[in-house]
Amino acid sequence: TQLLEQSPQFLSIQEGENLTVYCNSSSVFSSLQWYRQEPGEGPVLLVTVVTGGEVKKLKRLTFQFGDARKDSSLHITAAQPGDTGLYLCAKTEPNDYKLSFGAGTTVTVRA
Amino acid sequence: ETGVTQTPRHLVMGMTNKKSLKCEQHLGHNAMYWYKQSAKKPLELMFVYNFKEQTENNSVPSRFSPECPNSSHLFLHLHTLQPEDSALYLCASSQVWPGLADSRGTDTQYFGPGTRLTVL
Repeated sequence: TQLLEQSPQFLSIQEGENLTVYCNSSSVFSSLQWYRQEPGEGPVLLVTVVTGGEVKKLKRLTFQFGDARKDSSLHITAAQPGDTGLYLCAKTEPNDYKLSFGAGTTVTVRA
Repeated sequence: ETGVTQTPRHLVMGMTNKKSLKCEQHLGHNAMYWYKQSAKKPLELMFVYNFKEQTENNSVPSRFSPECPNSSHLFLHLHTLQPEDSALYLCASSQVWPGLADSRGTDTQYFGPGTRLTVL
C-alpha cells in the first residue's frame, strides 16, 4: 500500500516554464520533507515543513503544506535543465523518526 | 558529497553468489538505514539501526542480512538473491534524539549514492 501519492508520475516541460507537483495522503503528517534525486545519486533534502499552511521558498522553488497537514505541493518557477530529477516527498508519523516515501515525480526540463 | 559513501557503486551477481554492500558515514550520526529503490515504486525501508541496535526489520527476506559493527559503518550481506532483488540499494544516516517528546520535525536523513545491484 502506497502511503503517499505523488502526481503526476512524469512531467516534461520546456526551459522557462512553470511546474507544480503534488503529494497527498489520507492521513495527517507529523512533518513532510521534499527531496530531489538526480540520476546516479541518492536523494538530497530540499525542505522540511511542519506547520499546516506553511509556505517555504528556496530560490525558484515554493513549497506549500496544506492546512490539514495531509497534502503538499512543490512549485518551480522558470524551470531550468538543472531542475531535472526525481522529486520525492516523505512524511513522518507522530512519535516516529522514520520516513515513508512517495513514488516520486520524474521531472525533465528540456533546454 | 553528502558525507555518506557506499561501495561498490555497481554490482552484478548470480543467484548463488554471496556479496556484501558497504556504507560509511562521516557525519557522527547515531542512526543508519538501508532502503531499496525499485523502478516506479516508493523507497522501501529495509532496516534501521539506532545506536548500533537493529530497531526495524520491515519483513525483509532472510537472504538480506544487515550488520552494524559501529555507528559509522553498515553492511548488507547478500546471499542467494533472486532477479527481482535487482534494484538501487541506498544507505542513509541521521541523528536521532532518544526520548524526544515532541517528534514534529525530524533530523535530516543524508543518503549515499547507492549501489546499483543486478541479479542474473
